[in-house]
Order: sequence, then C-alpha cells, then structure tokens
Amino acid sequence: RKEVEQDPGPFNVPEGATVAFNCTYSNSASQSFFWYRQDCRKEPKLLMSVYSSGNEDGRFTAQLNRASQYISLLIRDSKLSDSATYLCVVTFYNQGGKLIFGQGTELSVKP
Amino acid sequence: DADVTQTPRNRITKTGKRIMLECSQTKGHDRMYWYRQDPGLGLRLIYYSFDVKDINKGEISDGYSVSRQAQAKFSLSLESAIPNQTALYFCATSDGPSNQPQHFGDGTRLSIL
Repeated sequence: RKEVEQDPGPFNVPEGATVAFNCTYSNSASQSFFWYRQDCRKEPKLLMSVYSSGNEDGRFTAQLNRASQYISLLIRDSKLSDSATYLCVVTFYNQGGKLIFGQGTELSVKP
Repeated sequence: DADVTQTPRNRITKTGKRIMLECSQTKGHDRMYWYRQDPGLGLRLIYYSFDVKDINKGEISDGYSVSRQAQAKFSLSLESAIPNQTALYFCATSDGPSNQPQHFGDGTRLSIL
C-alpha cells in the first residue's frame, strides 16, 4: 500500500461546480500536510497547507481528519483555470520530514 | 529570475552516456531535493540534502549520484544512462523545519534513447 494515495481521476466537471478530492495516508506519524497544484507537467506549486482545524483560502477549503488519516480539498465555483493535477503531500516524523507525494488527481473543468 | 533554476531544461542523449543535471537556488534554503516524475507514479524522491555535508538516499537512488557543491547548488548525475531513466526531473528546496513547503524548479525533461 502506498503511503499517500489519491484517486487519480480524471474528474471532469462543468464550470461553477463544486468538486472534492480525498487523500489517505497510511503512516500515523504524520506531521504536515499540503496540497500542491501542477499544470501540464510543469513544476508543482504550493496551493495551501492543511491545518488541523481546517482552513479556507477563497474558493478552496482543506480539511484534515487525523483519526481516519485523510485530508480533503474542496473547490467551490470551479473555473476553467482550476484545470490541473492536484497533489496531496504529507511529511512524517519518522522519515526525517521528507515530503511524500500522492500520485495526483487530475481535474478538468469544462465550459 | 527564478528562485530555483535547473539546467538543462531539456536533454536527449544515448544509453550509456554520463549525464549531469544541475540545480541552483537563490532562496537561501538549507534543504535541497531531487525528484523524478513518471506518468501515473507521481513524484518520487531520488536524493536529498539537509545541508552541505549531508546527503541522503531517497526512494529510488539506484543508478543516480548527487553532489552538494555549496548551499545553493545540488547536482544530480546519471553515471551510465539507461532508457528507463527517461523522465521529468525536478529539483526542490525548503527551509529548515519539516513543516515548510518545498519550492520547485521548472524541471528537466530527459530522454534516453
């Protein structure tokens, strides 16, 4: 089992839709959580960190559930420009703080 | 100018050749990383370095070596390239604490024929 797993998608949604991605991790010694965005084989870029209490940045909401070992990303009012691959990233205390990436979930927002 | 610069951006070479990919950063970060990305497999860590005297193997270090020449420079070498090393390679940096995000270079597309 991979340490960080995501549904690879693709998720095809119309503009204006709400879409949610989930990510599960297998190591309870988790430390930090992030969502990154990657456009068309360009470099990954940090979208947002995920905090224990959940956090919101505009149309994006991230949640963490330590008991069930998953994080989620909710995108409201999807825009065409949201089309990208979303990467779930976790660091673990017992791995020297290295980032472990999920394989990514592809989102395609259609007009 | 980019904070994390990778050279070359694209490279096509033949099996058995020695290849060096270079990464330099102006962010002043201590930690540097090399990843490869393959379709369906996500980003996999090759090597990482937490400071100039520290080098650690990642998930897939076989066939690769690295050199941390200075705080700002971290190079990745393929001593004898093989076709299954064809991939997109990324360098990244981060600040000291483990809860800090990483900042990526633009990537190097490497094709081994």
